[in-house]
Amino acid sequence: QLQLQESGPGLVKPLETLSLTCTVSGGSISSSSYYWGWIRQPPGKGLEWIGSIYYSGSTYYNPSLKSRVTISVDTSKSQFSLKLSSVTAADTAVYYCARHYGYFGSGSYPDYWGLGTLVTVSS
Amino acid sequence: AIWMTQSPSSFSASTGDRVTITCRASQGISSYLAWYQQKPGRAPNLLIYAASTLQSGVPSRFSGSGSGTDFTLTISCLQSEDFATYYCQQYYSYPLTFGGGTKVEIK
Repeated sequence: QLQLQESGPGLVKPLETLSLTCTVSGGSISSSSYYWGWIRQPPGKGLEWIGSIYYSGSTYYNPSLKSRVTISVDTSKSQFSLKLSSVTAADTAVYYCARHYGYFGSGSYPDYWGLGTLVTVSS
Repeated sequence: AIWMTQSPSSFSASTGDRVTITCRASQGISSYLAWYQQKPGRAPNLLIYAASTLQSGVPSRFSGSGSGTDFTLTISCLQSEDFATYYCQQYYSYPLTFGGGTKVEIK
């Protein structure tokens, strides 16, 4: 049974960097059939895709966040990570990590999601 | 980016009703569309991919149709556990984008 678990601080100060890690268990992060990505949801609002990474390290980012986002993968630990710099209150959201089904170079859709973690940006 | 527009944004229905939610893409996306169900405090759950393919374990009362720019999600006989918010998502091109959601409430 595939499981994804987000971890990281629940409170980040404005202008600092938000850092989250997703640990994958019950499946291989190195599979050629999947990307691994992040999606967020501000309280009471809809879903926003942040970006995703292939096990080889190739990434796709949302242009609206691209200048502030870095997603990386550590296959030896079955983990991938999100860094979002210069955060503001607008970045307060539940952050989900998710497996995305899709082969390299193709579009992908999230098929397994973590439980999500609320990150609040406040001083 | 491809914009996804869902309608209605919310509506009320009764158990046993047949309900339809519409999703429109700002440009053609072939059949690269997925549907999700989200309940309060929970992560979204994949219902349908490739516009009409039911994800394993999803009840057959859910169905999807459409291609190009216009898509629908239909619940043939609404059950109590189906009251939730539904999202469409295109994966034709990056960035991946979601519709704004449709909340199905109890009448």
